[in-house]
Amino acid sequence: DAGVIQSPRHEVTEMGQEVTLRCKPISGHNSLFWYRQTMMRGLELLIYFNNNVPIDDSGMPEDRFSAKMPNASFSTLKIQPSEPRDSAVYFCASRTTGGDEKLFFGSGTQLSVL
Amino acid sequence: GDSVTQMEGPVTLSEEAFLTINCTYTATGYPSLFWYVQYPGEGLQLLLKATKADDKGSNKGFEATYRKETTSFHLEKGSVQVSDSAVYFCAEKLTFGTGTRLTIIP
Repeated sequence: DAGVIQSPRHEVTEMGQEVTLRCKPISGHNSLFWYRQTMMRGLELLIYFNNNVPIDDSGMPEDRFSAKMPNASFSTLKIQPSEPRDSAVYFCASRTTGGDEKLFFGSGTQLSVL
Repeated sequence: GDSVTQMEGPVTLSEEAFLTINCTYTATGYPSLFWYVQYPGEGLQLLLKATKADDKGSNKGFEATYRKETTSFHLEKGSVQVSDSAVYFCAEKLTFGTGTRLTIIP
């Protein structure tokens, strides 16, 4: 199994630009999660989906952030417009709903907004 | 909401030392508890878990016991190695602690 695949691995952009992060969950997993990791706040859950439906987006910091899951094998996290304080590592994770609750994480996207 | 509190790092130990990283949680009921490990440049991966009170999770020489009475899930290892250097996260369901950076010196 290829695991959770995220792209790009690194993204450097200028303030005000739109940023799109991508995630392909493990095949057969029906729950997908977006986390943000920073030194100050640790690992924060932004949003998660069950069966492609957003269940809880209370962690999304502002309206500048949006996430979609158009099908079971793809999700995007978009920031528009981006700001320097959005600089962080963004992780996608997936799992099966119910049963074993452990999460499988991707390698993350290191985002730097200048 | 639920929260997880773990020992703040960084923690630096000599090889073969005994390791303890404390973790407590606030969720009610009997949530599953996890320890994840993150190596440099990688995503988190599950180290061990426990699903009910008094369960002991173990993997790669690490252990943690689910203590309902103290709402704790402390991570221990009897003899650490340089290769154990990483960041360790305690978690309850989808809530993670802030992580503890562990460095082992030869």
